[in-house]
Amino acid sequence: EVQLVESGGGLVQPGGSLRLSCAASGFSFEDYAMHWVRQAPGKGLEWVSRIDWDHVRKGYAVSVKGRFTISRDNAKNSLYLQMDSLGPEDTGVYYCAKDMDLRWTTAAWDSWGQGTLVTVS
Amino acid sequence: QSALTQPPSASGSPGQSVTISCTGTSDDVGDYNDVSWYQQHPGKAPKLIIYAVNKRPSGVPDRLSGSKSGNTASLTVSGLQADDEADYYCSSYAGSNNRYVFGTGTKVTVL
Repeated sequence: EVQLVESGGGLVQPGGSLRLSCAASGFSFEDYAMHWVRQAPGKGLEWVSRIDWDHVRKGYAVSVKGRFTISRDNAKNSLYLQMDSLGPEDTGVYYCAKDMDLRWTTAAWDSWGQGTLVTVS
Repeated sequence: QSALTQPPSASGSPGQSVTISCTGTSDDVGDYNDVSWYQQHPGKAPKLIIYAVNKRPSGVPDRLSGSKSGNTASLTVSGLQADDEADYYCSSYAGSNNRYVFGTGTKVTVL
């Protein structure tokens, strides 16, 4: 069974930093692209970032580019999101999600974690 | 990078059908068949229900179907059931700089 467990959320002051982690199990982590998606309280989903299975290609939403850094450690089956220069607009639940396709990147994310709450205040 | 446009709400009685539109541009929905739909119940993580415009993941009933025409993708939920009451989001590959974009979301109410 695929499991994704996010951690690292919490309360941080504006201008501060946080590092989110996502522990993956139940699938061959090294063969799948991974994504971060966030949701502000009472608002819709916003795609944040992606990293390909081979670390080569990364992508960021315009709203976070230059402030957030996505990375992965395939040996530890873990995905990370380093968030710097945080502002109130970054408040929300952050989900990690697994791409559906083997060694490819798509808009189809078939497994999601339960999310971790980040509050910037 | 603007969000795809969805109607804020849609509704129907049990057994009826609802169709939700997702309008983008030639830079995203119009140029790629990489459009997905997600269902999200309150307090829960999103669930993939349609991918590659019109494909269903294993376990998703064929009451749910997707299509695309030009810059607009659509999700149809037929034979509405109480459990279909949820928020629905489309997403699409947005091309430049390896980005993706979500729709604004549609709340479906089963009357």
